[in-house]
Amino acid sequence: DAGITQSPRHKVTETGTPVTLRCHQTENHRYMYWYRQDPGHGLRLIHYSYGVKDTDKGEVSDGYSVSRSKTEDFLLTLESATSSQTSVYFCAISEGHPYEQYFGPGTRLTVT
Amino acid sequence: AQTVTQSQPEMSVQEAETVTLSCTYDTSESDYYLFWYKQPPSRQMILVIRQEAYKQQNATENRFSVNFQKAAKSFSLKISDSQLGDAAMYFCAYRSKDGGSQGNLIFGKGTKLSVKP
Repeated sequence: DAGITQSPRHKVTETGTPVTLRCHQTENHRYMYWYRQDPGHGLRLIHYSYGVKDTDKGEVSDGYSVSRSKTEDFLLTLESATSSQTSVYFCAISEGHPYEQYFGPGTRLTVT
Repeated sequence: AQTVTQSQPEMSVQEAETVTLSCTYDTSESDYYLFWYKQPPSRQMILVIRQEAYKQQNATENRFSVNFQKAAKSFSLKISDSQLGDAAMYFCAYRSKDGGSQGNLIFGKGTKLSVKP
């Protein structure tokens, strides 16, 4: 199993509060991704990183920001959480060919 | 933009039988990668099998095999000798080969597979 951890694993927060989710890898992979999973939508890309301090937006980036100051850590921040951001968040890593991605265990976030 | 479609929201199979999950995709690219991921109730996303578009031979991993039809843009997953542990959500995913700095996966909405004892 790829060494990927996510913290916290579960979180309940109130609307309007900031939230930060952490993804930590021990594989030294270059690429890291944040996805959200919602019923009926599969997984959708929020943000991704292709190196330290190199990040870019994905399909559903509004309301989210990311940072990557070290190879092993990729942080996802909800600046002001809304109920529409209630979801399961997955981090994934990848390193070149053949480009498969390995996923963390997920974080279930509930915004009340 | 590429899209991935899984037309079967739910499927059911008898233990020890064979089941095929469907996936179609739309792309204008000639070279790319296709994947099947399994998500059991534990929620962990597990890579099941990978296919590289330039390889005509269908990928196989133990009881899992694919039927890759490039012209039809179809990528179905066959599970042989189904086991209770195969019960899960299955996601088909596409990745551009020349994804540049992005290289993210584009997922279908998933097929929930139930296995009856």
